[in-house]
Amino acid sequence: GNSVTQMEGPVTLSEEAFLTINCTYTATGYPSLFWYVQYPGEGLQLLLKATKADDKGSNKGFEATYRKETTSFHLEKGSVQVSDSAVYFCAPIPGGSYIPTFGRGTSLIVHP
Amino acid sequence: DAGVIQSPRHEVTEMGQEVTLRCKPISGHNSLFWYRQTMMRGLELLIYFNNNVPIDDSGMPEDRFSAKMPNASFSTLKIQPSEPRDSAVYFCASSTGSSGSDEQFFGPGTRLTVL
Repeated sequence: GNSVTQMEGPVTLSEEAFLTINCTYTATGYPSLFWYVQYPGEGLQLLLKATKADDKGSNKGFEATYRKETTSFHLEKGSVQVSDSAVYFCAPIPGGSYIPTFGRGTSLIVHP
Repeated sequence: DAGVIQSPRHEVTEMGQEVTLRCKPISGHNSLFWYRQTMMRGLELLIYFNNNVPIDDSGMPEDRFSAKMPNASFSTLKIQPSEPRDSAVYFCASSTGSSGSDEQFFGPGTRLTVL
């Protein structure tokens, strides 16, 4: 079956710290990989995506690389800001489908 | 485009009452999804439609839940009768539904509280 494992949160960091949120997945076929972000009181929105092996998705200073050999899609940012405080969801879409499998989400709290 | 529109944004009701949540997807999107989000269970897919036809409702928790999509621009999720354990944030999302690289666009959600 299809599944996603994200690191448990909350992740608490000081402003300008380096961020890594781990994500590993199992998915049938050749999946596309997504990270969504949910700011307080809002719906999820796409942060970045990668559709083939070794591709790097990037947006707003965040990056994630599609690692097929390790079935991972870890999210990184070199210097977080208070405004990055949100919940981050890893969400692969299995090959041949358009339905994502959402992880449990990882809460990030950034202190000034 | 205004994005996915949901109403109401907040709903407080008493146990046993009927609740109807509404969603207007982005124009031109062929797929519509209803999700429920709680602290305990995270984000759960309840049902999704493609071209107004329900494709998979296996996530609907029980017969008290029903969803319809009478046309391409409107969908409802109904709970009858409602129970306190239905309290959650309900999201509607839409996508083009044409390929696995398509993102989903989420509405702002309806926060439901059943007393």
